[in-house]
Amino acid sequence: QKEVEQDPGPLSVPEGAIVSLNCTYSNSAFQYFMWYRQYSRKGPELLMYTYSSGNKEDGRFTAQVDKSSKYISLFIRDSQPSDSATYLCAMSGTFSGGYNKLIFGAGTRLAVHP
Amino acid sequence: GAGVSQSPRYKVTKRGQDVALRCDPISGHVSLYWYRQALGQGPEFLTYFNYEAQQDKSGLPNDRFSAERPEGSISTLTIQRTEQRDSAMYRCASSSGQQETQYFGPGTRLLVL
Repeated sequence: QKEVEQDPGPLSVPEGAIVSLNCTYSNSAFQYFMWYRQYSRKGPELLMYTYSSGNKEDGRFTAQVDKSSKYISLFIRDSQPSDSATYLCAMSGTFSGGYNKLIFGAGTRLAVHP
Repeated sequence: GAGVSQSPRYKVTKRGQDVALRCDPISGHVSLYWYRQALGQGPEFLTYFNYEAQQDKSGLPNDRFSAERPEGSISTLTIQRTEQRDSAMYRCASSSGQQETQYFGPGTRLLVL
């Protein structure tokens, strides 16, 4: 079993839809939770960063962390065709010695069609 | 400013050959990470440098893989006696500090025939 599980999709939604992306994890020592966006033929870029449990909002994006359920989510409101990309969840914890040894999910491919 | 750069962008080699992949981090970034990303998967951690010190190499698959960062800037990932299973995208990331945001490069796609 992988430490981080993520449904690879693909997920296809119409423009303007609310998108929900999720990851589950098994290591209770994870404390830092991130969402990266990866466009085709590009490197991942950080989208959202959350420490421990709770919600964080940034424009159309909301990240949620539920440590009790070992479940994290990314919501995209009013989705746009430019949001079409692969979304990767990533996690780390202080167990790694103070640096961000990221453990990634497999990524979910999202397509937003006009 | 300039982001993380990697070279070559594509590398095709024959099984048994050695390859060297280069990463040029963002200027001033002290932390450097190497990841490997298989098709349809997320990046998988290989090794980590803090300045020139290789502090974690637990993700290197076997002793054919090595990495160095002799002057605390440019890093080289070397794969000796390449095998077909080494074919993947190799990504480098750098950050300004150990807990800071990692910025990824465009990657080197390695194909071993």
